[in-house]
Amino acid sequence: DIQVTQSPSSVSASVGDRVTITCRASQYISSRLAWYQQKPGKAPNLLIYAASSLQSGVPSRFSGSGSGTDFTLTISSLQPEDFATYYCQQGNSFPLTFGGGTKVEIK
Amino acid sequence: EMQLLESGGGLVQPGGSLRLACTTSGFSIRNYCMSWVRQAPGKGLEWVSATDTSGAYSFYADSVKGRFTISRDNSKNTLFLQMNSLRVEDTAIYYCGRYNSASERWFDPWGQGTLVTVSP
Repeated sequence: DIQVTQSPSSVSASVGDRVTITCRASQYISSRLAWYQQKPGKAPNLLIYAASSLQSGVPSRFSGSGSGTDFTLTISSLQPEDFATYYCQQGNSFPLTFGGGTKVEIK
Repeated sequence: EMQLLESGGGLVQPGGSLRLACTTSGFSIRNYCMSWVRQAPGKGLEWVSATDTSGAYSFYADSVKGRFTISRDNSKNTLFLQMNSLRVEDTAIYYCGRYNSASERWFDPWGQGTLVTVSP
């Protein structure tokens, strides 16, 4: 099984800050990685797919990069609505696996 | 607008069974692979099961293999999850999600989820 390790588990940041979240897969997964945002009491929402493709309707301040085993989600200028929990997910092989999540909190 | 709506959750005793349904609108599920993902209270996301467009192929997490069965009725645009021999650790919100294909296994959209509580 492919393990996905996400870091940090939480980050405190201010509006306007640049925030970076990383995800490392235990095996090579090419670009088969997605990022989701989840707000309390809501279902996850797809932000980035294929490691770097922005899902339709998602603000351009979100970007993804990486391939192989190391990936990054960047929020270029944090907005009030971005305070949430973020998850990465590998789509390379079953069982599909998610990272443990990163909670972005207000500093 | 593409929508997914889960139903069938509830309170069940350990060893019991439940059947979840995911009804869809705004698209035809016969063109998409479908999946279930769960989230225990206060915890992260855990993939549970997936099926291809026809239902001929199914995949399961080890934690549910042999107890859960995924199926679909393309004529009714509905996905199912039959859950047997339920355990306390199966308590979670269960989400259904759509994915495009074997080379695009990411979920969009998701349903709003249905809560399954397994408790004596």
